[in-house]
Amino acid sequence: QVQMVQSGTEVMRPGASVKISCKASGYMFTRYYIHWVRQAPGQGLEWVGIFNPPGGTTNYAQKFQGRFTMARGTSPDTLYLELGSLRSEDTAVYYCARSGDGSQFLEYWGQGTLVSVSS
Amino acid sequence: EIVLTQSPGTLTLSPGERATLSCRASQSVTDLAWYQQQLGQAPRLLIYSASTRATGIPDRFSGSGSGTDFTLTISRLETEDFAVYYCQQYDRTPQTFGQGTKVEV
Repeated sequence: QVQMVQSGTEVMRPGASVKISCKASGYMFTRYYIHWVRQAPGQGLEWVGIFNPPGGTTNYAQKFQGRFTMARGTSPDTLYLELGSLRSEDTAVYYCARSGDGSQFLEYWGQGTLVSVSS
Repeated sequence: EIVLTQSPGTLTLSPGERATLSCRASQSVTDLAWYQQQLGQAPRLLIYSASTRATGIPDRFSGSGSGTDFTLTISRLETEDFAVYYCQQYDRTPQTFGQGTKVEV
């Protein structure tokens, strides 16, 4: 069965960078896009960006462009999201999610990674 | 970007009752999904393409609408249906979500 398993909680200082991971299994990694979505405490869902595994192409929401980076890692079937120049307002649960078949709804979700930014 | 506005913000109902949730888009969209989120859990896909139930979703959940006005209906609420529901458009990037509707007892 399809699973998206994410790395654990990160506690960071403002200005630092952190890399979180999302390991996919149960399907062919290169056949589906992967999205990142974040959710600040007590808030709604916010789309971060999309990664296309075959070519490694990315598309970010404008507010994250230049500060967040999605990339495929050396570990098989693993995607990373690096968050740079962290601010307190980046405190959120970050979810990875696999696209649907031939479409960009979010069919399978990871369990989420909490990134907490505080001085 | 496309703004999605959900109403009401909170819906207070009892088990067995019918729930009707609304999602209005600032521009016409074709690709719209609905998700359910329980407290402390990841969202779960319920509906895509406005009206297609995802795998394993009970038939008491139904989606309808087109253009700018969409509806999620839960025909008879079960205790496990009390949660927050989000609509999402994936017609254009950036993908956007509504602010959510909480269905509570």
